[in-house]
Amino acid sequence: DAGVTQSPTHLIKTRGQHVTLRCSPISGHKSVSWYQQVLGQGPQFIFQYYEKEERGRGNFPDRFSARQFPNYSSELNVNALLLGDSALYLCASSPRTDRSYEQYFGPGTRLTVT
Amino acid sequence: AQTVTQSQPEMSVQEAETVTLSCTYDTSESDYYLFWYKQPPSRQMILVIRQEAYKQQNATENRFSVNFQKAAKSFSLKISDSQLGDAAMYFCAYRSANSGGSNYKLTFGKGTLLTVNP
Repeated sequence: DAGVTQSPTHLIKTRGQHVTLRCSPISGHKSVSWYQQVLGQGPQFIFQYYEKEERGRGNFPDRFSARQFPNYSSELNVNALLLGDSALYLCASSPRTDRSYEQYFGPGTRLTVT
Repeated sequence: AQTVTQSQPEMSVQEAETVTLSCTYDTSESDYYLFWYKQPPSRQMILVIRQEAYKQQNATENRFSVNFQKAAKSFSLKISDSQLGDAAMYFCAYRSANSGGSNYKLTFGKGTLLTVNP
């Protein structure tokens, strides 16, 4: 089975622009989480979606938004990009949100804001 | 809020030797999960090992084992017979076992870069 896939792999944007990152979970997984990993740091939680509903949100500004589609794929949107948004964005999927389920990570999208 | 601290930014080990990576965490919860993830240069975050807080027995996965000290809030990773392929960034992570809100999220430390010397 295919793992978590993310697109694009790399992306370069200019300050003030908008970006959309995409994630396809492992087949059968209904929960998707997004993390931001700034260079030299551990990933930080942004959002989690389950069955198309937001189940959790991290400490990120309203410029960050996400949604989940009926096929459980997900998009992360960032408006009015800042230089500080440059990071690796990781998507993780799990079958459910229950305590016992692991999160499986994708390879990430490297976003550079100039 | 929970925090995870990895005090060793970098570690190195000789091939075939043993190395221990340190992790401490802070939480007021009694039920939670702890994880070690490996992130090689390919960026893919790979789960190495997990520990349930209610289990007293330390988890092991082949050459990887943990030393879980709940009272001390310590969770170290031991890699035995180190291999060149073990070279990567290692992250310690915490997840609450309580449902609701953002409790299912992973809270990561800053990572330890492991170098394996031939």
